Amino acid sequence: SQTIHQWPATLVQPVGSPLSLECTVEGTSNPNLYWYRQAAGRGLQLLFYSVGIGQISSEVPQNLSASRPQDRQFILSSKKLLLSDSGFYLCAWSPGLANEQFFGPGTRLTVL
Amino acid sequence: KQEVTQIPAALSVPEGENLVLNCSFTDSAIYNLQWFRQDPGKGLTSLLLIQSSQREQTSGRLNASLDKSSGRSTLYIAASQPGDSATYLCAVRLGGGADGLTFGKGTHLIIQP
Repeated sequence: SQTIHQWPATLVQPVGSPLSLECTVEGTSNPNLYWYRQAAGRGLQLLFYSVGIGQISSEVPQNLSASRPQDRQFILSSKKLLLSDSGFYLCAWSPGLANEQFFGPGTRLTVL
Repeated sequence: KQEVTQIPAALSVPEGENLVLNCSFTDSAIYNLQWFRQDPGKGLTSLLLIQSSQREQTSGRLNASLDKSSGRSTLYIAASQPGDSATYLCAVRLGGGADGLTFGKGTHLIIQP
């Protein structure tokens, strides 16, 4: 069966510091991968998606970037965090277009 | 731009009642629609996926319907239980090569024992 992992589970970072969040999927190959953010009082927002290694599509211009160095690894990064980057970051995968999406446990990021 | 609206924002009912959660979307050109539940501080659990060509899907006490032409979906929960308490999210996946889901803000459901 497939499993999706995210780490860390919780992170508190000062403004201006770098960020690296990691997501890995087990039990499947060539998944579509996604990063979403859930901010307080707002709905889930798609940030990035990837259909293959090195292929990244950005949905919202912002202070963040994503990379996919391996087939089942998706990384969310920032060089300098802003207060507005605080939120709950969720990684998801799907077998392909028009398929069900499955979400990881999330990372709670607080920027102070 | 696709917008997804969920009504009501919050709902509290006694245990055992049947209930309906509503979801509407503005662009009917969707690949599919997915219902999730989210427990506090947790990730999303997929409940049901309805493809654009389907009218409904059922899983246990849950039934989801889709009326693509009118831009509406409902999630029916039969014989509600306290364990059903959670936030329920509706999300649509656009067609035309775009990927990712557009979410509503959810319905916060409380089932009173």
